[in-house]
Amino acid sequence: IAGITQAPTSQILAAGRRMTLRCTQDMRHNAMYWYRQDLGLGLRLIHYSNTAGTTGKGEVPDGYSVSRANTDDFPLTLASAVPSQTSVYFCASSDSISDRGRAFFGQGTRLTVV
Amino acid sequence: KQEVTQIPAALSVPEGENLVLNCSFTDSAIYNLQWFRQDPGKGLTSLLLIQSSQREQTSGRLNASLDKSSGRSTLYIAASQPGDSATYLCAVSQGGSEKLVFGKGMKLTVNP
Repeated sequence: IAGITQAPTSQILAAGRRMTLRCTQDMRHNAMYWYRQDLGLGLRLIHYSNTAGTTGKGEVPDGYSVSRANTDDFPLTLASAVPSQTSVYFCASSDSISDRGRAFFGQGTRLTVV
Repeated sequence: KQEVTQIPAALSVPEGENLVLNCSFTDSAIYNLQWFRQDPGKGLTSLLLIQSSQREQTSGRLNASLDKSSGRSTLYIAASQPGDSATYLCAVSQGGSEKLVFGKGMKLTVNP
């Protein structure tokens, strides 16, 4: 089934540790995104990539980095995790040509920083 | 800065009712508007996408309308069912980009 795969599904992480959240899509979409979802704050954009080789900052980029070496993969790295990064992280993709800009989301990664 | 608002935050209705969910946005220069459904502990599923040049889209019992000039969209759910219980989110994109700005969602409960 075509879609977006995120890993891990959930993780408990000690503060100060480095972690990479993985995201892979098989729809050949140009654009990919990382959002975080927090109670009372909704979904907020962390970083995005309009095409392979380019990335950009969203609304809440501090403490996070991304890379886009190819079309399919868009990992999100927390260099030194802090408790405020406890959240549910969603990866998404879209393509203005093949799917008219419709966004497709992964199942999410629930991250707890202790 | 674009802001998207969904009111109320929660709604509980008996089965069979026709429902209208509201979404408003502050900047009318949008690229598209999407309605999503999110079940507990799950990701988001796109229900309907309305391009900025369109006025409405329909899928089964769902109909979404867009009034760009007034900064409003509505999602109409006909003959609601318990399986429609979920959180519904509205999101807009701008500037030819597909980056989304989300409302905080509306939690719908349809009681049998």
